[in-house]
Amino acid sequence: QVQLVESGGGVAQPGGSLRLSCEASGFTFNTYAMHWVRQAPGKGLEWVAVISYDGTKKFYADSLKGRFTISRDNSKNTLFLQMTNLRADDTALYYCARAGTWAEAGVALDHWGQGNLVTVSS
Amino acid sequence: EIVLTQSPGTLSLSPGEIATLSCRANQSVRSDYFAWYQQRRGQSPRLLIYSSSNRATGIPDRFSGSGSGTDFTLTISRLEPEDFAVYYCQQYDSSITFGQGTRLDIK
Repeated sequence: QVQLVESGGGVAQPGGSLRLSCEASGFTFNTYAMHWVRQAPGKGLEWVAVISYDGTKKFYADSLKGRFTISRDNSKNTLFLQMTNLRADDTALYYCARAGTWAEAGVALDHWGQGNLVTVSS
Repeated sequence: EIVLTQSPGTLSLSPGEIATLSCRANQSVRSDYFAWYQQRRGQSPRLLIYSSSNRATGIPDRFSGSGSGTDFTLTISRLEPEDFAVYYCQQYDSSITFGQGTRLDIK
């Protein structure tokens, strides 16, 4: 079955960096677009970024541009989110999620990981 | 940006009743690009409905979606205890945005 396991979260200082990973299994990773979605404590869902199945196309939420970078290593079935210049309001549970197809746009998110907590605090 | 507003914020019902959740967009969304998700307490979101009215794999037929343009609805007939959760609408027509969620509580 499809499994998405995030790792790499933790506590970072304001202005610091963290790199999240999401290891995928149970499906052919290099044929699906992948997303990151975050959820601040007690709040709703906020889409972060998407990457195409082959890694050539990347799109970000306008509010995050320039600070976060999405990438993937299809040889290792792993998705990444590099987060820099972190702020307190980046504190959230970060989910990786699979798009329903290869397409990076126009597709719902059909499988989600369990989430990985990032806390930005001094 | 397409803003989605869900109503009500909280819905209190009893098992066996019918739940009707609404989501309104500030601009038209193509029906093929609208979804609903369920998030139980302490769990990840789960896709319920995609393309406005198609149930995702394994979703019981008591869940149904409808709507077009700016108004979409999720209906849950015959509420089961496991249905009490938070529900989010999502559009993926223009980038991706989510509604703020509707909490479905046991009355």
